[in-house]
Amino acid sequence: DAGVTQSPTHLIKTRGQQVTLRCSPKSGHDTVSWYQQALGQGPQFIFQYYEEEERQRGNFPDRFSGHQFPNYSSELNVNALLLGDSALYLCASSLAEGSGNTIYFGEGSWLTVV
Amino acid sequence: DQQVKQNSPSLSVQEGRISILNCDYTNSMFDYFLWYKKYPAEGPTFLISISSIKDKNEDGRFTVFLNKSAKHLSLHIVPSQPGDSAVYFCAGNSNSGYALNFGKGTSLLVTP
Repeated sequence: DAGVTQSPTHLIKTRGQQVTLRCSPKSGHDTVSWYQQALGQGPQFIFQYYEEEERQRGNFPDRFSGHQFPNYSSELNVNALLLGDSALYLCASSLAEGSGNTIYFGEGSWLTVV
Repeated sequence: DQQVKQNSPSLSVQEGRISILNCDYTNSMFDYFLWYKKYPAEGPTFLISISSIKDKNEDGRFTVFLNKSAKHLSLHIVPSQPGDSAVYFCAGNSNSGYALNFGKGTSLLVTP
């Protein structure tokens, strides 16, 4: 049973560029969330997708956008990259409907902005 | 604002002893709490959870206690093993939202 898979694992971008990160949820899961984890911090919620729509969004600017595909996989796009966007980006999957469902994380994509 | 706080950045425990990791929260709407364990260069791994209708949940060597009146929860690991050395994150979730709210983590070191 494949868990949550993310790609790429590491990447380096230049300020002002755009990046796309990809995620495949755990088998059977229909909900995908994205988190940003800066060094020394806990993961911060970016947004969640369910039924191909953004269901909830955290406190992140519009430069951060996403998409969910009919097969439940998801992409995170970040435009006009800033140095402060350097972080570990985590994808998490779960079954729909609020709390009480265990949320599983992928291994993350390390983004370095130079 | 930090709705989940883990006030101990690090903890060192001898192998075989009990490890107690603490977590406080401020949002009274949280009704579900989860603990994750994270090794360097890996994503967080789910460890154990507890619903707000319970005050204790146990899974093998791991037990989570919830004190709703104090808005406090703790994770007990007994007995501690060197392989438990990792960063532990506490997270809260409410049925009215979908985001997990994480603390900053506690780095546990279990020494032989």
